[in-house]
Amino acid sequence: GAGVSQSPSNKVTEKGKDVELRCDPISGHTALYWYRQSLGQGLEFLIYFQGNSAPDKSGLPSDRFSAERTGGSVSTLTIQRTQQEDSAVYLCASSPDRALNYGYTFGSGTRLTVV
Amino acid sequence: GENVEQHPSTLSVQEGDSAVIKCTYSDSASNYFPWYKQELGKGPQLIIDIRSNVGEKKDQRIAVTLNKTAKHFSLHITETQPEDSAVYFCAPIRPGGSYIPTFGRGTSLIVHP
Repeated sequence: GAGVSQSPSNKVTEKGKDVELRCDPISGHTALYWYRQSLGQGLEFLIYFQGNSAPDKSGLPSDRFSAERTGGSVSTLTIQRTQQEDSAVYLCASSPDRALNYGYTFGSGTRLTVV
Repeated sequence: GENVEQHPSTLSVQEGDSAVIKCTYSDSASNYFPWYKQELGKGPQLIIDIRSNVGEKKDQRIAVTLNKTAKHFSLHITETQPEDSAVYFCAPIRPGGSYIPTFGRGTSLIVHP
């Protein structure tokens, strides 16, 4: 597609349930990033994928969070045993090549509400 | 890691006025300086960027200026319009390492018609 696609756009889940958030990056973009944005806050880095390299997971807030990227394209962010503090907008972004310092293209995000 | 600060956190202007948002950073090795615009309910969108070998770049009503010595860069919007109302983020990047930028906390720009 022409842009970064995220699904679902909205997700309401009960505390303690697992959720999966999906990101389809721009075709050919080797770099993929997940960020979290709480209400009225800035962007918090979660995880970064670059090609076939091991992902940089340094931003994941706890072991309840994990992510994978299959075939160098689609990525899934999984949150296990969701807590109310996980409520936020989860943004995915892709970039052609990290080394050349291109800007990111962001998706519209998934708004997660844990009740 | 890089320390990034944006000022002001909120900026309110009248339509037609100019707006300037400043981003200061700590890592002197940073060499790529983008600005993103985030409208309500959307993801941030890259609106302009500058690289360390250039001091200023313009694109119609927006411009970015860079002062590498002082380690800051600024977003300038002239002839502001209500549709410029949004949150603006800076996110400098240094080469090498993780290539993960640190985003500023954002500046909320409100343009009153």
